[in-house]
Amino acid sequence: AQTVTQSQPEMSVQEAETVTLSCTYDTSENNYYLFWYKQPPSRQMILVIRQEAYKQQNATENRFSVNFQKAAKSFSLKISDSQLGDTAMYFCAFITNTGNQFYFGTGTSLTVIP
Amino acid sequence: KAGVTQTPRYLIKTRGQQVTLSCSPISGHRSVSWYQQTPGQGLQFLFEYFSETQRNKGNFPGRFSGRQFSNSRSEMNVSTLELGDSALYLCASSPGGWEETQYFGPGTRLLVL
Repeated sequence: AQTVTQSQPEMSVQEAETVTLSCTYDTSENNYYLFWYKQPPSRQMILVIRQEAYKQQNATENRFSVNFQKAAKSFSLKISDSQLGDTAMYFCAFITNTGNQFYFGTGTSLTVIP
Repeated sequence: KAGVTQTPRYLIKTRGQQVTLSCSPISGHRSVSWYQQTPGQGLQFLFEYFSETQRNKGNFPGRFSGRQFSNSRSEMNVSTLELGDSALYLCASSPGGWEETQYFGPGTRLLVL
């Protein structure tokens, strides 16, 4: 079964601080991509960062970076220098080459406190 | 490029009615996927269309159907609405390859009374 687990339903962080959102997943496939999406209160789902499973190097996108541990099937998101605009629901997801559909976690609601 | 658009943004229907939602993908994108988002079930995959053909399907009853037109625009239809169909319906488009990033629309909020 393909599953994604986000064990932190809610988190908060002070503005300018760093926060890490955790995600674990399960798949028997070897070829897959991992994603973090952000859904602000306006509801538009926005891509934050993506990681190719075959790449050992962790993806980085400005203040956002991931810690990808393939053997442990872990894919955490680190947000540095948190900003008020980072307040949103964050979804971890993956897609495999055997089915063109996302498997989503249940999301982590992040609040950045001024 | 314009993003993914969905119409209507909000919809209120009553049980037993049917509804059609529309999704216009990013220009050049040939794949459109549909997802249902509810507080209890999270994001669940409905189906994916590529070049007017349903390429993948989730575990939803036959009341949920879709189609894609030659211009890649897609529609989703739900017949005999149930209260549990109340949800945010998101569509996402991508160029077509499974490994390519999907870009989401703003969603259609459906309320079934």
